[in-house]
Amino acid sequence: GQQLNQSPQSMFIQEGEDVSMNCTSSSIFNTWLWYKQEPGEGPVLLIALYKAGELTSNGRLTAQFGITRKDSFLNISASIPSDVGIYFCAGPNYGGSQGNLIFGKGTKLSVKP
Amino acid sequence: KAGVTQTPRYLIKTRGQQVTLSCSPISGHRSVSWYQQTPGQGLQFLFEYFSETQRNKGNFPGRFSGRQFSNSRSEMNVSTLELGDSALYLCASTRDNQETQYFGPGTRLLVL
Repeated sequence: GQQLNQSPQSMFIQEGEDVSMNCTSSSIFNTWLWYKQEPGEGPVLLIALYKAGELTSNGRLTAQFGITRKDSFLNISASIPSDVGIYFCAGPNYGGSQGNLIFGKGTKLSVKP
Repeated sequence: KAGVTQTPRYLIKTRGQQVTLSCSPISGHRSVSWYQQTPGQGLQFLFEYFSETQRNKGNFPGRFSGRQFSNSRSEMNVSTLELGDSALYLCASTRDNQETQYFGPGTRLLVL
């Protein structure tokens, strides 16, 4: 079945540094979603990508939908302490069903002030 | 516009009991999906409801069930609770036929 592989699993960075994380799959996705989850809360949608090659920004966040449709990356520029959390990529489960997202295992980001 | 709301936020139950969790979607969203999140398995799809009908179901035992009401609010029920059911239960809503889902804050269930 479809799987999403996220890397790295965790990152420890200094405030002000840029961050890059990615998500790959052996299957094609037509939509890529990036979420951030903070402790005790639900995932919050950061960026949605709908077209191969698309590059979308949301403030200091930039995400791209890979040309092969099998990967996506998320960059965070000039990180700040409130960027701490777990970042998930997700895509629709075409093998299954409507309303069913597949999630990567997440990248845990820690920012040192 | 109000986001997805879930109640209760926290719940403690004992093995063998049953539990009902509630989710109110964003106004105008008719699709509600439920997920279970655990440290070991990550986010896993439970089921999805649209217009009061379960359209899709993940690979969970029949102890996990749900329903949706005419106002799109949804409930999920877990019967005969097991220790392994301890998890964060998330619901998400979406507009018709769209893939972008918006999540609620979750219900943290602890089974003792």
